[in-house]
Amino acid sequence: NAGVTQTPKFQVLKTGQSMTLQCAQDMNHNSMYWYRQDPGMGLRLIYYSASEGTTDKGEVPNGYNVSRLNKREFSLRLESAAPSQTSVYFCASSASPGGAFSYEQYFGPGTRLTVT
Amino acid sequence: AQSVTQLGSHVSVSEGALVLLRCNYSSSVPPYLFWYVQYPNQGLQLLLKYTSAATLVKGINGFEAEFKKSETSFHLTKPSAHMSDAAEYFCAVSGRDSSYKLIFGSGTRLLVRP
Repeated sequence: NAGVTQTPKFQVLKTGQSMTLQCAQDMNHNSMYWYRQDPGMGLRLIYYSASEGTTDKGEVPNGYNVSRLNKREFSLRLESAAPSQTSVYFCASSASPGGAFSYEQYFGPGTRLTVT
Repeated sequence: AQSVTQLGSHVSVSEGALVLLRCNYSSSVPPYLFWYVQYPNQGLQLLLKYTSAATLVKGINGFEAEFKKSETSFHLTKPSAHMSDAAEYFCAVSGRDSSYKLIFGSGTRLLVRP
C-alpha cells in the first residue's frame, strides 16, 4: 500500500519559472491538503480540498494554485516561483468526510523545492 | 483563534532517560490535540490524538500525553528514551469542523545520547 505519494522529490527553479507538484493517495480519502514546512515554523496550510471538485484557501495561499483532479490526485502549482517559496512541501490526506481537521492526516514524503 | 506553543526547539536526553516534550495550546472551542513525529527526510506520522474521550492518551512507540485543561497543556512523555526516538515532534490543535484548521507548533527536535 503506497499511501500518499509525491513527485518530484527535489526541484530547483529559477525565479519566475513555473511548476506543478503532484500528489496522489490510494486510501480512498475524501480530504487532501498541501502544507509547506519552513525551519522553526512548523507546517503551514496552503490549500485544502474537502472533496473532489472543491478547494479552499489555507493560511498561506498567495502565489499558489491547486487542482483536485479526481478523488486520488491533488496538485499544487507555482505560476511564477519566488525565492520566498523555497521550502519543503508536504501533501496529506484524511478520511474526513467534510473537510474537518479533527481526523488523522497521512503525509507524503515531501518535495524539497529551491528557488534561486 | 487557535495556537500552539512548543517550549524548546531542541531537547537532548540520554538513552533510557525520561522524555518530556512540552506543548501548550490556545483554543476558543474544545480542542482536538495531536502529536506527530517526523523522522529525517520523511513525512509526518501520527503518534497520538486527544478527542476528549480520556485525558491520558496512549500512542505508538510507548509515547503518551496528558490533556490538562487547567494548564492548557498537552505534554508528550515516554518513560525510557531509545535511540530510534530521535526525530522532530510536532504538537497540533484543531477544532470540531472545517472552520478550525490544523495548527502546528514550531516543532521540537529530540536528540538521544548513547
